[in-house]
Amino acid sequence: QSVLTQPRSVSGSPGQSVTISCIGTSRDIGTYDYASWYQHRPGKAPKLVIYDVFKRPSGVPDRFSGSKSGNTASLTISGLQAEDEADYYCSSYATTSVLFGGGTKVTVL
Amino acid sequence: EVQLLESGGGLVQPGRSLRLSCAASGFTFSSSAMAWIRQAPGKGLEWVSGISYGGDNKYYTDAVKGRFTVSRDNAKNTLYLQMDNLRAEDTALYYCAKDLRTFQVIGVLFESWGQGTMVAVSS
Repeated sequence: QSVLTQPRSVSGSPGQSVTISCIGTSRDIGTYDYASWYQHRPGKAPKLVIYDVFKRPSGVPDRFSGSKSGNTASLTISGLQAEDEADYYCSSYATTSVLFGGGTKVTVL
Repeated sequence: EVQLLESGGGLVQPGRSLRLSCAASGFTFSSSAMAWIRQAPGKGLEWVSGISYGGDNKYYTDAVKGRFTVSRDNAKNTLYLQMDNLRAEDTALYYCAKDLRTFQVIGVLFESWGQGTMVAVSS
């Protein structure tokens, strides 16, 4: 079982946009529309911010958006805010298992 | 309000066993697929195991197959993870998580997480 590939870190100034990529394969992201994204702040439980590629759970700001192209899912945070600083993990179903990416640290400059 | 409370972690020697529990409340436990997800120190999230809402279907990551067993008691609203033959690489914070949707065979979208229980495997 492989890990989905994410950049180790991205950064942006308040108000800017950042995009995190998540590269999978045709056995996971490329086949299933179950790509999801989690925000994980230190000492807190992870929080689901995007599911089914682009859907937002209730209460998640519309600054968070998701997309997919081929084997790659992406998370975009628009209008970056200080509170968005956290680790972000992508995830996908992969036929009787679930994969996570290695995580991306988002820094608000 | 959904609450998931893990327990059972601790320091254990390699080769020994531990049983984790996750007490659930605030939702219909018997309708929700559940999962165990871990995070080793300084590392990312790793899905460990999943179980269907009824408990008939169980899934494991390759690294724990044959050593870990997931189960649930829907009458007690509790999820379990029996961990045998523990290795140093099993050292991690173990979270239980609830699937977003109901009546799933395998949970893939985790809308609620516990705070985790720490497992340390060392001699």
